[in-house]
Amino acid sequence: NAGVTQTPKFRILKIGQSMTLQCTQDMNHNYMYWYRQDPGMGLKLIYYSVGAGITDKGEVPNGYNVSRSTTEDFPLRLELAAPSQTSVYFCASSYPTDRGRAGELFFGEGSRLTVL
Amino acid sequence: DAKTTQPNSMESNEEEPVHLPCNHSTISGTDYIHWYRQLPSQGPEYVIHGLTSNVNNRMASLAIAEDRKSSTLILHRATLRDAAVYYCILRDSQNAGGTSYGKLTFGQGTILTVHP
Repeated sequence: NAGVTQTPKFRILKIGQSMTLQCTQDMNHNYMYWYRQDPGMGLKLIYYSVGAGITDKGEVPNGYNVSRSTTEDFPLRLELAAPSQTSVYFCASSYPTDRGRAGELFFGEGSRLTVL
Repeated sequence: DAKTTQPNSMESNEEEPVHLPCNHSTISGTDYIHWYRQLPSQGPEYVIHGLTSNVNNRMASLAIAEDRKSSTLILHRATLRDAAVYYCILRDSQNAGGTSYGKLTFGQGTILTVHP
């Protein structure tokens, strides 16, 4: 049981380049999330998904896109990278808070992205 | 999402108990109280959650006020490995039209420093 796996762990991009951060989970969780964390700050929600084919914006979605074609995978696409997107990105997954479940989140180890 | 308020930082000595407070005066009856912690250079990890009653697990205890407007995370004997940022978050358990809420908002958290 690997939990939540993110790739790559580190990446340097030039301004204007595009890339996809991969996230996969093997816990059959319905919900998946992408957060970013700037140095010394808390986590900010970029996008989330409550199931395959369903995604919604979080606090800071501009400059990003997501898709959820399967339960397991939730890739985050950065189009036209900008220095402001330099951050650590965390993917997480959870069950919904129904049927008595509290919906605790399980996080990946993070992807550190630098845009120069 | 209902908001939580935590002190920016706290300090403790090793082997001593630590009480981390959280105020959530606008909590609704269906909100779970979740605690997560983030060790340096790692993703957040789930610590404990509760709804109305006090809770214990192998990592910590959670004491919830009778009116549920505040809670306290208790680390019974702090170790150096407990030095982290601790986040108190409210997680809505209410289904709305059959769709559970997906968003989870992290605040700034409390930076816990543990002295040898």
